[in-house]
Amino acid sequence: DVKVTQSSRYLVKRTGEKVFLECVQDMDHENMFWYRQDPGLGLRLIYFSYDVKMKEKGDIPEGYSVSREKKERFSLILESASTNQTSMYLCATNGGVREQYFGPGTRLTVT
Amino acid sequence: DQQVKQNSPSLSVQEGRISILNCDYTNSMFDYFLWYKKYPAEGPTFLISISSIKDKNEDGRFTVFLNKSAKHLSLHIVPSQPGDSAVYFCAASVTNRDDKIIFGKGTRLHILP
Repeated sequence: DVKVTQSSRYLVKRTGEKVFLECVQDMDHENMFWYRQDPGLGLRLIYFSYDVKMKEKGDIPEGYSVSREKKERFSLILESASTNQTSMYLCATNGGVREQYFGPGTRLTVT
Repeated sequence: DQQVKQNSPSLSVQEGRISILNCDYTNSMFDYFLWYKKYPAEGPTFLISISSIKDKNEDGRFTVFLNKSAKHLSLHIVPSQPGDSAVYFCAASVTNRDDKIIFGKGTRLHILP
């Protein structure tokens, strides 16, 4: 079974803080993705990576950056957190198949 | 510009009956379609998929139908069970290098006792 873990289930940060969300997968998958989920808006792609040190912008990259130094780890960085970044953040991975496998999510609240 | 549309935000179905969730898409280049199920405070889990070369795929209680000419797909759940209460996301993708998936906004399914 594919296992995707995310560093925190719940996180509360203050406006202006730098926030790191980490995702680790154990299946040697090439592709990794970061989404955010908001009520009524579905899942929106922030960034994705199809190889180490490679990154591509998704649909809503503004205010975010990513890092992929190792194949199994994909980090999402909020450079200066804002209240409109309060959301559920989901990491996903796939490799060789179209289906993406998701982690449990991080519920981030920015106050 | 929504490429994958789920026009029903919510749906209520009696336990034991058939649940039908609908999805429309606009991009004719999509060649692979997926359904995901999501419980609150959990990540989405893959449910079932269908390639554009097929018009039906079945897995136990779940069947997905694809109508390419209408750019429409549907997920049938028979019989519906209480554990099926969740948000269902329709998704689509185009065969290319990055394997991006475009998700709809989701439909919340309530199974009534």
